[in-house]
Amino acid sequence: GQQLNQSPQSMFIQEGEDVSMNCTSSSIFNTWLWYKQDPGEGPVLLIALYKAGELTSNGRLTAQFGITRKDSFLNISASIPSDVGIYFCAGLKSGTYKYIFGTGTRLKVLA
Amino acid sequence: DAGVIQSPRHEVTEMGQEVTLRCKPISGHDYLFWYRQTMMRGLELLIYFNNNVPIDDSGMPEDRFSAKMPNASFSTLKIQPSEPRDSAVYFCASSLDRMDGGELFFGEGSRLTVL
Repeated sequence: GQQLNQSPQSMFIQEGEDVSMNCTSSSIFNTWLWYKQDPGEGPVLLIALYKAGELTSNGRLTAQFGITRKDSFLNISASIPSDVGIYFCAGLKSGTYKYIFGTGTRLKVLA
Repeated sequence: DAGVIQSPRHEVTEMGQEVTLRCKPISGHDYLFWYRQTMMRGLELLIYFNNNVPIDDSGMPEDRFSAKMPNASFSTLKIQPSEPRDSAVYFCASSLDRMDGGELFFGEGSRLTVL
């Protein structure tokens, strides 16, 4: 099935550093969701975005709905060890309920 | 409120056996989704329901897979007969109906191993 391109695929960062990741597509989306998945668990919803240009925060996390509606960005400020996990984006096209998921960004935080 | 509840959490079975995975969506949610997650293919949508009616099953890999939603609080995904390549984590998710797409809430998943 179709997947969205996420980058980077994985990253090692030092505790306290800021993290940026993005999700891109050739298609236009009406909704973007960002999830975090811990090993052995289901994806947990972090942030939902519904309008182009929208910037939404959830604690140390900030996500943006790209102006072109073909991309979205997630930033984590002052990373901590519990930020370790896989981050997924998901996009939804107009007129459908078939969310398409990104390939994931695996984050590892070095204490 | 309870989240999406799936059972079993883990299932190990032998090739050829029937497997039934169960899901209880969040109360009041109109949509229910079944996803499969593998290292190679990531999260794939298998089928989704709206108000208990299957809307799109184009992601169901073969006739060996079937899904039902007899009422608003219960759904099953059945694989018969199972094959080793069906080994994966199967997630159920639910959402409310909204014009711009509802937020998807996932269960903990059912990890299936077919020997």
